[in-house]
Amino acid sequence: GESVGLHLPTLSVQEGDNSIINCAYSNSASDYFIWYKQESGKGPQFIIDIRSNMDKRQGQRVTVLLNKTVKHLSLQIAATQPGDSAVYFCAENMGNTNAGKSTFGDGTTLTVKP
Amino acid sequence: ETGVTQTPRHLVMGMTNKKSLKCEQHLGHNAMYWYKQSAKKPLELMFVYNFKEQTENNSVPSRFSPECPNSSHLFLHLHTLQPEDSALYLCASSQEDRAGGVEQFFGPGTRLTVL
Repeated sequence: GESVGLHLPTLSVQEGDNSIINCAYSNSASDYFIWYKQESGKGPQFIIDIRSNMDKRQGQRVTVLLNKTVKHLSLQIAATQPGDSAVYFCAENMGNTNAGKSTFGDGTTLTVKP
Repeated sequence: ETGVTQTPRHLVMGMTNKKSLKCEQHLGHNAMYWYKQSAKKPLELMFVYNFKEQTENNSVPSRFSPECPNSSHLFLHLHTLQPEDSALYLCASSQEDRAGGVEQFFGPGTRLTVL
């Protein structure tokens, strides 16, 4: 069977390695998902999004995977760099409701070791 | 920069003080939000304004009072706060998408400490 990635509050990786950050969402009716990155002293910043009619979306060095069967979302960062060190949040959204109201998950603090 | 500014960036206040947080967005968005971010907790949505009308009040105590005079400005008026209200207060804006689902643009936050 398929395994669901465990959400970890912290993740430490070596520079150049790939990172995988996992998130479990709660509402099966959610149809839009976003990953945000929050660097120290800053507000969250959009990284990538995915709608529920997709299971994979790629950006620059980032890929988001969506598994609706088990309500799981993951963010993959290729060739992780020191500048990727931050807290990463997933957010779920029922797009047809109230001005894009999002529910945020627990963050994962990514530390990249040089 | 994200196009959302917040002032002040840091605020220390006593429990009997009255202060206000200000947020301004330069993106032409029609929705604005206040969030509270405490250590070890997910972002907590406090208020949502859509076209200047409050559409969400997430059971926030009355010692927090929002004001949205226009689509570009959002205030959070604070009075008789408690030490447990110390947190990072984030403002965000978005443009509602008829297709459903929007990203939010966040300001840098105001770090509030209540003594």
